[in-house]
Amino acid sequence: EDQVTQSPEALRLQEGESSSLNCSYTVSGLRGLFWYRQDPGKGPEFLFTLYSAGEEKEKERLKATLTKKESFLHITAPKPEDSATYLCAVPNSGGYQKVTFGTGTKLQVIP
Amino acid sequence: NAGVTQTPKFQVLKTGQSMTLQCAQDMNHEYMSWYRQDPGMGLRLIHYSVGAGITDQGEVPNGYNVSRSTTEDFPLRLLSAAPSQTSVYFCASSKQGITDTQYFGPGTRLTVL
Repeated sequence: EDQVTQSPEALRLQEGESSSLNCSYTVSGLRGLFWYRQDPGKGPEFLFTLYSAGEEKEKERLKATLTKKESFLHITAPKPEDSATYLCAVPNSGGYQKVTFGTGTKLQVIP
Repeated sequence: NAGVTQTPKFQVLKTGQSMTLQCAQDMNHEYMSWYRQDPGMGLRLIHYSVGAGITDQGEVPNGYNVSRSTTEDFPLRLLSAAPSQTSVYFCASSKQGITDTQYFGPGTRLTVL
């Protein structure tokens, strides 16, 4: 069964304090790994898609990386507006049209 | 483009009542899906559709029905509401299915008393 595990569950950072969020996955035949950001009371918003080990993508203070077993979302010099829950997700490995989501990391950046 | 829209934003039901959550997208996406989000459990797929006239069950389909008569609309029906269906419901769409970016609606917060 496909599994996605995110850690930590919650992370509190001072503004400017860089850190990383982890997403480990168990799926045969990875067909992409997605990162989403979710603000309170809103739907998830797409950030990145990674398809192969070694791939990296960047957007402002965020950089996503991928290995064969996990993905990291690196946050460099975060600002309070980066506070949100970050979700990762992988498409199902079988023919079943399903995406498995992790339970997310809730990030709080304190001024 | 409005993207993915959902109505209502909030709803309170009594046990046994039925209702329909509306979802529409204006991006001409073929794939649409419904998720529920509960604390500590992540997003779970309820039903999905790969095109007009085609629907299938996700991992938690019991108590819910869907139909897809047009590309744009994908309503979710609760047949007889139960307290266990208290949750936040999200509709999502993507152009080419689960390996493509999904665009989410703003959600419906449902409480069943």
